[in-house]
Amino acid sequence: GQNIDQPTEMTATEGAIVQINCTYQTSGFNGLFWYQQHAGEAPTFLSYNVLDGLEEKGRFSSFLSRSKGYSYLLLKELQMKDSASYLCAASGGSYIPTFGRGTSLIVHP
Amino acid sequence: DSGVTQTPKHLITATGQRVTLRCSPRSGDLSVYWYQQSLDQGLQFLIQYYNGEERAKGNILERFSAQQFPDLHSELNLSSLELGDSALYFCASSLGGQETQYFGPGTRLLVL
Repeated sequence: GQNIDQPTEMTATEGAIVQINCTYQTSGFNGLFWYQQHAGEAPTFLSYNVLDGLEEKGRFSSFLSRSKGYSYLLLKELQMKDSASYLCAASGGSYIPTFGRGTSLIVHP
Repeated sequence: DSGVTQTPKHLITATGQRVTLRCSPRSGDLSVYWYQQSLDQGLQFLIQYYNGEERAKGNILERFSAQQFPDLHSELNLSSLELGDSALYFCASSLGGQETQYFGPGTRLLVL
């Protein structure tokens, strides 16, 4: 079976750093996606981790620990436009990602 | 802009009716996926097509069906609509069946 768990909501201050955690239980795990979704808009791809470790991409970094079934998305130098929902999705044996319900991030001045 | 297009953007209809949602994948992508997103359920995978053939099925109701045409565009047909079918319907595409999916802008369906 598949199970994805991430916090429902987080708040942070502009300019700060925030870490959004995700735990997963996925049979035949292949990799872990992070998507950003603004309200009413399409999810947009942020990162895909296959191997353990941290991958950095500008202000956003994503970490994966396969043995712990754990990932996090790190957002640095937060901007108001980063207010959005962040979806964690684990890809299993079928290669169809199972999405979590998303973490709603609110960035305030 | 992901390169995936969906029409229509909005659709309002009545219970019991049937609608068709259309999706054109990114140029070169062979796989098309359909998802339903409602407030209480998150993003739910419905069905995947690869190069015209059904590849994987998720939580798709029997009232729903889809197909992928030779030009690789796809249609999702929703029939005998119920109030609970009101949701955002997203199409996504990928090169094959294992790569990153890129999402279209979605169709917002409201069933009254």
